[in-house]
Amino acid sequence: SAVISQKPSRDICQRGTSLTIQCQVDSQVTMMFWYRQQPGQSLTLIATANQGSEATYESGFVIDKFPISRPNLTFSTLTVSNMSPEDSSIYLCSVEDPGETQYFGPGTRLLVL
Amino acid sequence: QKEVEQDPGPLSVPEGAIVSLNCTYSNSAFQYFMWYRQYSRKGPELLMYTYSSGNKEDGRFTAQVDKSSKYISLFIRDSQPSDSATYLCAMRESTGRRALTFGSGTRLQVQP
Repeated sequence: SAVISQKPSRDICQRGTSLTIQCQVDSQVTMMFWYRQQPGQSLTLIATANQGSEATYESGFVIDKFPISRPNLTFSTLTVSNMSPEDSSIYLCSVEDPGETQYFGPGTRLLVL
Repeated sequence: QKEVEQDPGPLSVPEGAIVSLNCTYSNSAFQYFMWYRQYSRKGPELLMYTYSSGNKEDGRFTAQVDKSSKYISLFIRDSQPSDSATYLCAMRESTGRRALTFGSGTRLQVQP
């Protein structure tokens, strides 16, 4: 299975600022996904990020708020822009391996004050 | 109505018990079914992965899929305190959309 790391692991931010979360994979993967897990909730997909194409966003998530980059097959970033306390959440990246199973990173815990 | 329904628990069992965790779903296009385990402050860890209907066993874990009833289960035999975690079911369609749809998760506590 792919080994996935995320940076930062946690952060405390002020409202109105932005935070960029990095996701690094130890092997080349085509499909990467960004999920959000709000306190006590399950995972909700934010967007699908494929290398060489624009990210595809789910209903309720927009590029201006959550811009995503996917510069190569092992790396992606998610930015949470103009943050508010409602953005306090765990942000998780996942990758799909050639066997079509998804593996998750450890998550980034974000608290917005 | 959510696409995937899962009892949030918490479910508390004594060590050694057989645990049954379940999800129901409404989308008949779902073909791939997964169970993830998530410890507190960690990312989800893939436990079981099943395609279409049937059973799959891996050690103390057995996953069952009944597509006719739109019902999936995870059984844990001889449960251990280290099994205490939140268990998430997830599923996706076979073609097109590759993202997973998750249940809300069941919190399991195995008492020593």
